[in-house]
Amino acid sequence: AAGVIQSPRHLIKEKRETATLKCYPIPRHDTVYWYQQGPGQDPQFLISFYEKMQSDKGSIPDRFSAQQFSDYHSELNMSSLELGDSALYFCASSSRGGNTEAFFGQGTRLTVV
Amino acid sequence: GQQLNQSPQSMFIQEGEDVSMNCTSSSIFNTWLWYKQDPGEGPVLLIALYKAGELTSNGRLTAQFGITRKDSFLNISASIPSDVGIYFCAGHLGSGGSNYKLTFGKGTLLTVNP
Repeated sequence: AAGVIQSPRHLIKEKRETATLKCYPIPRHDTVYWYQQGPGQDPQFLISFYEKMQSDKGSIPDRFSAQQFSDYHSELNMSSLELGDSALYFCASSSRGGNTEAFFGQGTRLTVV
Repeated sequence: GQQLNQSPQSMFIQEGEDVSMNCTSSSIFNTWLWYKQDPGEGPVLLIALYKAGELTSNGRLTAQFGITRKDSFLNISASIPSDVGIYFCAGHLGSGGSNYKLTFGKGTLLTVNP
């Protein structure tokens, strides 16, 4: 079965640079979530989209933005990167209509140096 | 915001032993979930619970949704080496509409000695 696809798997950026993370949800899933997981921490909710509209917002810095496109894939844009942004970033998708829970991708490991 | 207290933080057990971990919340959830995460990978959904008092099994895993809707436990029976990983409880308020963002517990690191 198709899963949530994230790219890239690994990313190394320097401070103050910009990064773009991509997420391709499971086919026919209408909701995408972004989570940030620091070393040894639990995943923290950043933002979600339902049918291409922002549906909820968590502890996402103003330097970050995200959107969901017409094909339902989503991108997380991160600017003015800081060392503290180094973390695993997970995308998850679910289907409200199909009443499924969130399935997670394999994540993008972002390292800011 | 809502917080989940998960315990224990870590467990070291022998293969074949049973394991139990639990989560408590400061407020109610409409759905409780249990995920397992391997190092560097995304969380994988193990069990979902939707009704207070519900007891659900998935192979050697059994989980329950507390009657107060503020707690849940996960049991693993006859542990095997591949059970090693971090187990997270999570909850959300979604119920036929919005508010499906997950709040996670801090995780339980399980080590199984062969």
